[in-house]
Amino acid sequence: GQQVMQIPQYQHVQEGEDFTTYCNSSTTLSNIQWYKQRPGGHPVFLIQLVKSGEVKKQKRLTFQFGEAKKNSSLHITATQTTDVGTYFCAGVFSGFQKLVFGTGTRLLVSP
Amino acid sequence: GAVVSQHPSWVICKSGTSVKIECRSLDFQATTMFWYRQFPKQSLMLMATSNEGSKATYEQGVEKDKFLINHASLTLSTLTVTSAHPEDSSFYICSATAHGTWTEETQYFGPGTRLLVL
Repeated sequence: GQQVMQIPQYQHVQEGEDFTTYCNSSTTLSNIQWYKQRPGGHPVFLIQLVKSGEVKKQKRLTFQFGEAKKNSSLHITATQTTDVGTYFCAGVFSGFQKLVFGTGTRLLVSP
Repeated sequence: GAVVSQHPSWVICKSGTSVKIECRSLDFQATTMFWYRQFPKQSLMLMATSNEGSKATYEQGVEKDKFLINHASLTLSTLTVTSAHPEDSSFYICSATAHGTWTEETQYFGPGTRLLVL
């Protein structure tokens, strides 16, 4: 079946440390999206990657899409307490309209 | 732009009753709406895909007679949880996409509805 896995499930860092979450798909993706969900909130769209090997940056966040379009990563440089939340990747499989959400990585940042 | 609202944001009901949740696209026409369910500390699980004017497509394991979806207009979709039971307690989130090529579309998520069935 179509599955999207993320690692790690949980990470606790000190403010200022870097953080990376990895996303892996069982099969090739048409595109991949990243979302952030704060505790008690709803997913908020961060970015969409479409092209093989694509890299996009948003301030301290760097997103990558693998060459084979089966994996992706989100890297946060110098984390801040405002980065706390759960980060989900969500993939669109070729020929399908729906998003398949990854298992999520919960990030906790201590001051 | 691209705002999606949900109503209600919170609902508490007795076991056996039905609950209707509305999802509206406020400033765009939503050709497709999606309904997700999220249990505590878990990921979002797609329940169904709804296209305006046609029957919803349900994911495997989701009972279509229990979770009734209506997408009567380009700005409104409703999810009715019929004969709700405590195990239906969850966070229900809708999302919507606008006209255009699917691969370039972003899903805009509503704020979610927390359902507690007593």
